[in-house]
Amino acid sequence: DAGVTQSPTHLIKTRGQQVTLRCSPKSGHDTVSWYQQALGQGPQFIFQYYEEEERQRGNFPDRFSGHQFPNYSSELNVNALLLGDSALYLCASSHTGGPADTQYFGPGTRLTVL
Amino acid sequence: AQSVTQLGSHVSVSEGALVLLRCNYSSSVPPYLFWYVQYPNQGLQLLLKYTSAATLVKGINGFEAEFKKSETSFHLTKPSAHMSDAAEYFCAVSDSSGGTSYGKLTFGQGTILTVHP
Repeated sequence: DAGVTQSPTHLIKTRGQQVTLRCSPKSGHDTVSWYQQALGQGPQFIFQYYEEEERQRGNFPDRFSGHQFPNYSSELNVNALLLGDSALYLCASSHTGGPADTQYFGPGTRLTVL
Repeated sequence: AQSVTQLGSHVSVSEGALVLLRCNYSSSVPPYLFWYVQYPNQGLQLLLKYTSAATLVKGINGFEAEFKKSETSFHLTKPSAHMSDAAEYFCAVSDSSGGTSYGKLTFGQGTILTVHP
């Protein structure tokens, strides 16, 4: 059983560009959450997708947007990149209504903005 | 709002010694609590979780944690450290109301565990 997968592994962009990160959830999971982990920090919640809609959002600007597809996979889009967007972006999947909605994390995408 | 405080950004122990990583939480509703481990350049791996059943929770790799409501704590312990335990550990909280949190996690700042021979 494949766990949560993310692509790409690493990405380098320049300021002002746009980026798309991808996530495939663990088999049987229907909910995808995205987190940003800056260097030396704990992960910060960006948003969560369920039934192809954004269900909950953290304190991130509108430059951060996402999408969930019918197969439950998800994309995170960031527009007008800033140097401060450099971070590890983690995707987590869960089953809504499952035990504590426990989230399982992928390996992350390391984004560097120059 | 929920929050998590991990006391000690760095903890260093000798191989074979007790590991104790501290976590205190703040939540207005009964919490679910989690410990995750992160190895260098990797994602987060779930170690254990508390979901209002037994207050002493056993996890993988010999770790366990005890939920103490009166102290709002959920400290992580392991009786004997191995070199392979060296990693960063994160405590996280979500609320148990389900319908409003949908499992959103609030993390602490992390504790880096170093194990020396």
